[in-house]
Amino acid sequence: GNSVTQMEGPVTLSEEAFLTINCTYTATGYPSLFWYVQYPGEGLQLLLKATKADDKGSNKGFEATYRKETTSFHLEKGSVQVSDSAVYFCALTNTGFQKLVFGTGTRLLVSP
Amino acid sequence: DARVTQTPRHKVTEMGQEVTMRCQPILGHNTVFWYRQTMMQGLELLAYFRNRAPLDDSGMPKDRFSAEMPDATLATLKIQPSEPRDSAVYFCASGLSYNEQFFGPGTRLTVL
Repeated sequence: GNSVTQMEGPVTLSEEAFLTINCTYTATGYPSLFWYVQYPGEGLQLLLKATKADDKGSNKGFEATYRKETTSFHLEKGSVQVSDSAVYFCALTNTGFQKLVFGTGTRLLVSP
Repeated sequence: DARVTQTPRHKVTEMGQEVTMRCQPILGHNTVFWYRQTMMQGLELLAYFRNRAPLDDSGMPKDRFSAEMPDATLATLKIQPSEPRDSAVYFCASGLSYNEQFFGPGTRLTVL
């Protein structure tokens, strides 16, 4: 079956630190991969996506590269801000379907 | 700015009562999803619809939960009778086939 595994949180960083949140997946076929972000008290928002191997998704300084050989889609940002504090979800959907399979989420806390 | 809306935002009820949650998807979107989020289980897909037809409701407890789309502008999730273990945040999301999902702000349900 399809599944997504994320690193446990919380991840605690100081402002301007480098961020990596690991995500690996198991899927049949050729999934599309996503990162969603959830700010406190809000619904999820799409942060970035990649639809095929070696694609790099990027948005708001965040990046993730679809690595088929390692079945990974790690999220990175070079310099985090306090406003990046949120829960980040890695997710996949399989070819032709829109049904998302989510990881458990990783909470990021950024202090000034 | 098109958004998914959900009502009510908060609901407190007593065990055994009926609860109805409503969602207005973004105009023109043909796919609607219902998710439940809890600390213990994370994000779970309960049901989803395409062009108002239910495609998958395998994530939903059938004996007490029901989901419908009376028309293209309204999706409902009903729990009858409600139980304390149903306490969670319920999210609705909408999208177009093969594209990203847009999440509503959620309904926080507390069953006493």
